[in-house]
Amino acid sequence: EVQLLESGGGLIQPGGSLRLSCAASGFTISSYAMSWVRQAPGKGLEWVSVINDRGDKTYNADSVKGRFTISRDNSNNTLDLQMDSLRVEDTAVYYCAKIGITLFDAYDMWGQGTMVTVSS
Amino acid sequence: DIQMTQSPSTLSASVGDRVTITCRASQRIGSWLAWYQQKPGKAPKLLIFDASSLESGVPSRFSGSGSGAEFTLTISSLQPDDFATYYCQQYNSFSWAFGQGTKVEI
Repeated sequence: EVQLLESGGGLIQPGGSLRLSCAASGFTISSYAMSWVRQAPGKGLEWVSVINDRGDKTYNADSVKGRFTISRDNSNNTLDLQMDSLRVEDTAVYYCAKIGITLFDAYDMWGQGTMVTVSS
Repeated sequence: DIQMTQSPSTLSASVGDRVTITCRASQRIGSWLAWYQQKPGKAPKLLIFDASSLESGVPSRFSGSGSGAEFTLTISSLQPDDFATYYCQQYNSFSWAFGQGTKVEI
């Protein structure tokens, strides 16, 4: 089955760190750009980070710049998001998503999401 | 960064209605726009890409139009399964911004 499966979410105190992972199955991520998108409770979608197919170009939203790092391991077919200096406002469901052939393409596959709660 | 603004924020409609949602970009983005449907507790689902191309498996009652800075998503005859929240997203520049969403309710 072709799917993305996120893991690593949980409850973390403000200032802490968390690492999310996304495992792809049924296809090879090495041909595609990938992204993390988040959704705070009751709110809309917010793109967080994007990485190109080779992993040598990354882009981050201003809200997470300097705190979050996106990376990928094409040999293991996985995508990661290292989140440092977490804030209460980072509380959200985090989705990994596959972008089409290029960086500038629609998000054509999404995982089911993993919840991150930042609270003391 | 490019900002995306959807209207309306909420739309009340009935089964069989023709529904139109508008998305405006703060600057011209060509046709680099997608539409997604999201139901409560579920991941978003791609409906339309490149402003007017229907994603495989999406019913033909969904259509997209527009280019430049103004875009529309139309549902020609609303079905019970279509009650959901819809988001537009631009992918023309290095900020893959989403609109704030339009909730289609009964």
